[in-house]
Amino acid sequence: EAGVTQSPTHLIKTRGQQATLRCSPISGHTSVYWYQQALGLGLQFLLWYDEGEERNRGNFPPRFSGRQFPNYSSELNVNALELEDSALYLCASSLGQGEYSPLHFGNGTRLTVT
Amino acid sequence: AQSVAQPEDQVNVAEGNPLTVKCTYSVSGNPYLFWYVQYPNRGLQFLLKYITGDNLVKGSYGFEAEFNKSQTSFHLKKPSALVSDSALYFCAVRDQGAGSYQLTFGKGTKLSVIP
Repeated sequence: EAGVTQSPTHLIKTRGQQATLRCSPISGHTSVYWYQQALGLGLQFLLWYDEGEERNRGNFPPRFSGRQFPNYSSELNVNALELEDSALYLCASSLGQGEYSPLHFGNGTRLTVT
Repeated sequence: AQSVAQPEDQVNVAEGNPLTVKCTYSVSGNPYLFWYVQYPNRGLQFLLKYITGDNLVKGSYGFEAEFNKSQTSFHLKKPSALVSDSALYFCAVRDQGAGSYQLTFGKGTKLSVIP
């Protein structure tokens, strides 16, 4: 079974630009989660999508947005990039909305803002 | 609100010795608890979970964790550490019945197993 795949692996942008990160969940998984892993801050919850709808959002400004497509893949967009947006962005998927379903993570996209 | 604390940023243990990585949590209801491991430049891998039932949970790679409701803890343990266990370990919690399925993670504990 193919795992969660994320692209690109690395992304370098300048301040003020926009970044688009992509995620393909495990086949059959309908929920997709986005997390930001910044140095020293652990994992911060960004967004949760299920069945094409945004279900929950973390404490991030509106310039962080995303969507889930009919094939359950997802896209995270970050507008007006700031230096502090530099981080590893992790996508995870789970089987349905089960509360006790573990998340399966991709290897992440390393975003560097200069 | 749910939260997780991992009180140690780093744990060092000699190869062959038992290891413990500590985790405490705070939820308003009953918890679902998880441990994940992250190797350099990789995503997180699921190790084990506590949902209900037996307080001692066994997971992948010989790891186990003990749920203690009175102490609100869920410490990760392994009887004999391997050098290959060196990695970053995350504890996570989800509040049962809270209506939000997001996982809240601790800040992580770096485990170094010394040969």
